[in-house]
Amino acid sequence: ILNVEQSPQSLHVQEGDSTNFTCSFPSSNFYALHWYRWETAKSPEALFVMTLNGDEKKKGRISATLNTKEGYSYLYIKGSQPEDSATYLCAFNSWGKLIFGQGTELSVKP
Amino acid sequence: GAGVSQSPSNKVTEKGKDVELRCDPISGHTALYWYRQSLGQGLEFLIYFQGNSAPDKSGLPSDRFSAERTGGSVSTLTIQRTQQEDSAVYLCASSFESGGLNEQFFGPGTRLTVL
Repeated sequence: ILNVEQSPQSLHVQEGDSTNFTCSFPSSNFYALHWYRWETAKSPEALFVMTLNGDEKKKGRISATLNTKEGYSYLYIKGSQPEDSATYLCAFNSWGKLIFGQGTELSVKP
Repeated sequence: GAGVSQSPSNKVTEKGKDVELRCDPISGHTALYWYRQSLGQGLEFLIYFQGNSAPDKSGLPSDRFSAERTGGSVSTLTIQRTQQEDSAVYLCASSFESGGLNEQFFGPGTRLTVL
């Protein structure tokens, strides 16, 4: 059974804080790792698709790194803003279907 | 262009009734996926379609669940004799092709509540 774990489960930060969370996944038979951002009452929005060990991707204030050998990925948010409040999901790509972690719920207070 | 749409957005039903959830994928997307999120759980894969065929239906939790896709477009997920544990948000996603690194685009979901 493929297991994807995310930590922490929830995070409360002040506006302007930088934060990061972790996704761990099976290191064998790795194909790709996806990060999504899911705001309440909206559709999950794709952030990154990561494939190569050592990969680093960036979109604005959000960036992610990937270590396929040890089976983890970090998502970083620099200078958090209230609009960053959402659940951040990682998903292990298993032959095209996505195996999701339980997500990290981020709340940014003004 | 239009994204993935799902209907209804909310559905409240009584235990034992059948429900149908609908998904309209992005035009031209050949692959379609169903996931669900139960309370306190992560998003869980149910089934995916490539065209009208379902190569992987391993995530369907019981034989009360079925799904079909017609014309390579719209898909319906049917739950027969609903139970309270079926209450969840059901999400549909589509991608240009199945497998590979094709990004999956999600719809807004259907929130199902079984009383």
